[in-house]
Amino acid sequence: EVKLVESGGGLVQPGGSLRLSCAAFGFTFNTYAMSWVRQAPGKGLEWVSDIADSDKSTFYADSVKGRFTISRDNSKSMLYLQMSSLRAEDTAIYYCAKDYLPAAVMKSHAYDLWGRGTMVTVSS
Amino acid sequence: DIVMTQSPDSLAVSLGERATITCKSSQSVLHSSNNKNYLAWYQQKPGQPPKLLIYWASSRHSGVPDRFSGSGSGTDFTLSISSLQAEDVAVYFCQQYYDTPSFGGGTKVEIK
Repeated sequence: EVKLVESGGGLVQPGGSLRLSCAAFGFTFNTYAMSWVRQAPGKGLEWVSDIADSDKSTFYADSVKGRFTISRDNSKSMLYLQMSSLRAEDTAIYYCAKDYLPAAVMKSHAYDLWGRGTMVTVSS
Repeated sequence: DIVMTQSPDSLAVSLGERATITCKSSQSVLHSSNNKNYLAWYQQKPGQPPKLLIYWASSRHSGVPDRFSGSGSGTDFTLSISSLQAEDVAVYFCQQYYDTPSFGGGTKVEIK
């Protein structure tokens, strides 16, 4: 079955850190760019970060730059998001998402596969 | 950054009637090198992740019913549901991927 499964969310105090993980199943993980997208409670979608398939180029939203680090382990089909200096406004469901097309075909951050998300709550 | 603006915020349509959602981008998402509009549409039901409906502005994703269609080019786009079904009640988002990805604010579709 083709799926993404996130884990690692939870309650953390402002200024704290958390590491999210996303396990990929059923597709050739190392041929796709991957992204993290978040959704604050009752709000819209916000792209957070993405990472290329193999060369590991990374990109970040201004709102998280310098605080979050995206990484991947292609040997384990795993995607990660290390989050530090967390703020109340980082409270959201964090989804990992797969690009629709393989990176070798075209860079295309339309997402055809999403995990169910993991909730991050930043509160004292 | 490209700002995506959707309208309306919410929409109530009778079963079997047409629903139309518009999305405007603050700059063109048409790539001159391949003549493709880097615009996608998603459906999100409560408690679920988004689901890809349309990519390249008008290409229907695998398994998506043909009552869903996308159109437009440049900065102005439309998602249409030709005959609304009960299972189409959801929030719909547009997204550009021409540049750093960004999403519209969403349109909630309900049954009238």
